[in-house]
Amino acid sequence: AQSVTQLGSHVSVSEGALVLLRCNYSSSVPPYLFWYVQYPNQGLQLLLKYTTGATLVKGINGFEAEFKKSETSFHLTKPSAHMSDAAEYFCAVSDKAGANNLFFGTGTRLTVIP
Amino acid sequence: NAGVTQTPKFRILKIGQSMTLQCAQDMNHNYMYWYRQDPGMGLKLIYYSVGAGITDKGEVPNGYNVSRSTTEDFPLRLELAAPSQTSVYFCASSHQGGMNTEAFFGQGTRLTVV
Repeated sequence: AQSVTQLGSHVSVSEGALVLLRCNYSSSVPPYLFWYVQYPNQGLQLLLKYTTGATLVKGINGFEAEFKKSETSFHLTKPSAHMSDAAEYFCAVSDKAGANNLFFGTGTRLTVIP
Repeated sequence: NAGVTQTPKFRILKIGQSMTLQCAQDMNHNYMYWYRQDPGMGLKLIYYSVGAGITDKGEVPNGYNVSRSTTEDFPLRLELAAPSQTSVYFCASSHQGGMNTEAFFGQGTRLTVV
């Protein structure tokens, strides 16, 4: 069975500082991994995803994530936080191509301090 | 671009009442999904559909029903509302390949059952 653990339900960073949101997964097969962002009063929007190939994945708005199989991790990073990055971020996993479900983590709320 | 449209945005129901959450997408996507998001929890799949006339249960289907008479619409029905169904409901759609391709989410419906 697949599961996702997001360490830290709330993360605060200063504007311009590094953003690091942690995600560890559990999967019995090679996983497909995703990061979604949810801005206030909006639905989720895909930031980036890893399916196969290069383990460093670049997404929208300057975010990237690295798939580390040995650590079962898929942490999300951004070198320099902007105020507009304040949102809730969800890591998710699925176990197969064409899966009809994603297993979501509990989310991390990012606050950016001016 | 409308994308995925959910109505209503907010609703308060009394215990035992029924209601239908509407979801429509204009992207000609085959796959559609209903998720619920409880406070401090990740999204849980309620029902999904891989095409008109085809629906299937997700992780938490009890207390809900769906139908998919057209490609565009995927309504979620609550027959006898219970306090445990207080949640934020998200509808999503994706093209072929299910959730491993990019899923597009609506803005959500915040439902309170009192």
